[in-house]
Amino acid sequence: ELKVEQNPLFLSMQEGKNYTIYCNYSTTSDRLYWYRQDPGKSLESLFVLLSNGAVKQEGRLMASLDTKARLSTLHITAAVHDLSATYFCAVDNRTQGGSEKLVFGKGMKLTVNP
Amino acid sequence: DSGVTQTPKHLITATGQRVTLRCSPRSGDLSVYWYQQSLDQGLQFLIQYYNGEERAKGNILERFSAQQFPDLHSELNLSSLELGDSALYFCASSVRDYSYEQYFGPGTRLTVT
Repeated sequence: ELKVEQNPLFLSMQEGKNYTIYCNYSTTSDRLYWYRQDPGKSLESLFVLLSNGAVKQEGRLMASLDTKARLSTLHITAAVHDLSATYFCAVDNRTQGGSEKLVFGKGMKLTVNP
Repeated sequence: DSGVTQTPKHLITATGQRVTLRCSPRSGDLSVYWYQQSLDQGLQFLIQYYNGEERAKGNILERFSAQQFPDLHSELNLSSLELGDSALYFCASSVRDYSYEQYFGPGTRLTVT
């Protein structure tokens, strides 16, 4: 059974600082997604990582995927208050021959303090 | 705004009752997915439909069922509701039966009292 683990689950950081959050998954997959969720809101797609070594950047966020290590990172550069949200990674289970579904991590709640 | 719509936004009902949640995918998207988000279980995939046919099943209880209609909108039916069914139910859509990206609707918050 595919398991997705995120760490840390809670992060409080100062504006202007950098930090990296991690997403590990237990079985082979070549497709990983990062989503953002604001309180009481829906999920907003941030990144879709489709292959080993994929790196994508949008603003102060950069995501990468290492399929051999079964690891994705989300790096935050010079954090600002607007980045405060919960960040989910999700892994596509399709390549296991199972159902075509996303398995989500528990989410990381980020608070950026002024 | 993702283009996926869900109704109702909020639903409060009693245990033992039955409710129907509705989802309209983005224009052109053939695939619809249902997810449940709760504090206990996190975000869980329930079921997927592609162009009217069930494509994949996740952790969906037998008391729950879904369908996708010819106009591609989908309904999730929850019956014999229990307190533990209280959650946020999201619908997502994508273009193909497997896709690089799923677009999530605003969700329906179900409260069972």
